[in-house]
Amino acid sequence: GDSVTQMEGPVTLSEEAFLTINCTYTATGYPSLFWYVQYPGEGLQLLLKATKADDKGSNKGFEATYRKETTSFHLEKGSVQVSDSAVYFCAQRGFQKLVFGTGTRLLVSP
Amino acid sequence: NAGVTQTPKFQVLKTGQSMTLQCAQDMNHEYMSWYRQDPGMGLRLIHYSVGAGITDQGEVPNGYNVSRSTTEDFPLRLLSAAPSQTSVYFCASSYSRTGGGNTIYFGEGSWLTVV
Repeated sequence: GDSVTQMEGPVTLSEEAFLTINCTYTATGYPSLFWYVQYPGEGLQLLLKATKADDKGSNKGFEATYRKETTSFHLEKGSVQVSDSAVYFCAQRGFQKLVFGTGTRLLVSP
Repeated sequence: NAGVTQTPKFQVLKTGQSMTLQCAQDMNHEYMSWYRQDPGMGLRLIHYSVGAGITDQGEVPNGYNVSRSTTEDFPLRLLSAAPSQTSVYFCASSYSRTGGGNTIYFGEGSWLTVV
């Protein structure tokens, strides 16, 4: 069935470091792909999305490119801030639902 | 425009009690759903609805009931709470019935503890 695999965390970085969080998916078709972010004690917010191969989603300095050939949607940011500390979820939209990865916690220290 | 509103935000229940988590959206979305979030397991779909009067089961429906009498509201009922239902619950909604790039919007979550 459809699934999403994310790298396990926590990912611990210093401020201004480069961030990559890996995400791969398995699907029967070509799903839309999403990254959601969850700040402590809050709900999920859409960070970015891509709906077809080679699309690049971007928001708040984060980017992810829909790679059909490697079935991946890795999240990147060139320079992280303390305020980016959160849990990041990769997801694909299949029939009637989102399929989520298990989440990756990012901890950024000053 | 409030988006997706869930209540209550926090609740403690005793085993065997019943309760209803409320969810309302003001975006005229056809699709609404409930997820639960557990450590190390991401979010899992409990039930969903593609319109008023239509509901269906997700991955983990046991112990939960839903109904959709209006477009705006999609309550989740726990008939007899069990400790295994301790979790964070998220309601979500979107325009599209059958997938695609339409964004699914989430409520702020309901933290439920069953003792």
